[in-house]
Amino acid sequence: AQSVTQLDSHVSVSEGTPVLLRCNYSSSYSPSLFWYVQHPNKGLQLLLKYTSAATLVKGINGFEAEFKKSETSFHLTKPSAHMSDAAEYFCVVSAGRRALTFGSGTRLQVQP
Amino acid sequence: GAGVSQSPSNKVTEKGKDVELRCDPISGHTALYWYRQSLGQGLEFLIYFQGNSAPDKSGLPSDRFSAERTGGSVSTLTIQRTQQEDSAVYLCASSPPGLAGGRLSTDTQYFGPGTRLTVL
Repeated sequence: AQSVTQLDSHVSVSEGTPVLLRCNYSSSYSPSLFWYVQHPNKGLQLLLKYTSAATLVKGINGFEAEFKKSETSFHLTKPSAHMSDAAEYFCVVSAGRRALTFGSGTRLQVQP
Repeated sequence: GAGVSQSPSNKVTEKGKDVELRCDPISGHTALYWYRQSLGQGLEFLIYFQGNSAPDKSGLPSDRFSAERTGGSVSTLTIQRTQQEDSAVYLCASSPPGLAGGRLSTDTQYFGPGTRLTVL
């Protein structure tokens, strides 16, 4: 069984300040973990993925995430938010099966 | 190259009618997935194809839902006798062939823009 919990449904930051979107997972197998972003009326875009090669994963647009097995976490961070980062972010787990299991999403607001 | 495409982008139908949603995966991608995104349920897996066969149909919510894939390419998701609770965005994704060290779950899935279905 696998599941993922996104701890915040909404996060609001000011432009230029750091972003932290929190995700915890549960998996019976060694998981693969992903972050996807969905801009309004757009499709899902892969930001980054963890597949056991390195615990700190760098993605597109300055985002990165750290896999912490002891905490079963995979939080997404960015040092400095940009207005264009406003979107919905999904933490996703895949373990032992092809289908992805999505978290409930975190809506990121960036204030000017 | 072209991404995953889906048609129609929007579909409005009356309760009780049948609808067909189409997905064109990225050329060469052997795996194809259908998901549903709705307000109450978030993003849910429906069905997965490897080639033309569907080894995992566990997410189909009822026998009104079916899907097929022909020629290892285009897939059609059919919903019969639509109900209002079927209203959602239906997303299709594809992933390339090959395994990363034998771990199925590492294949990245590339998503289409979705079909927004509204059942009146």
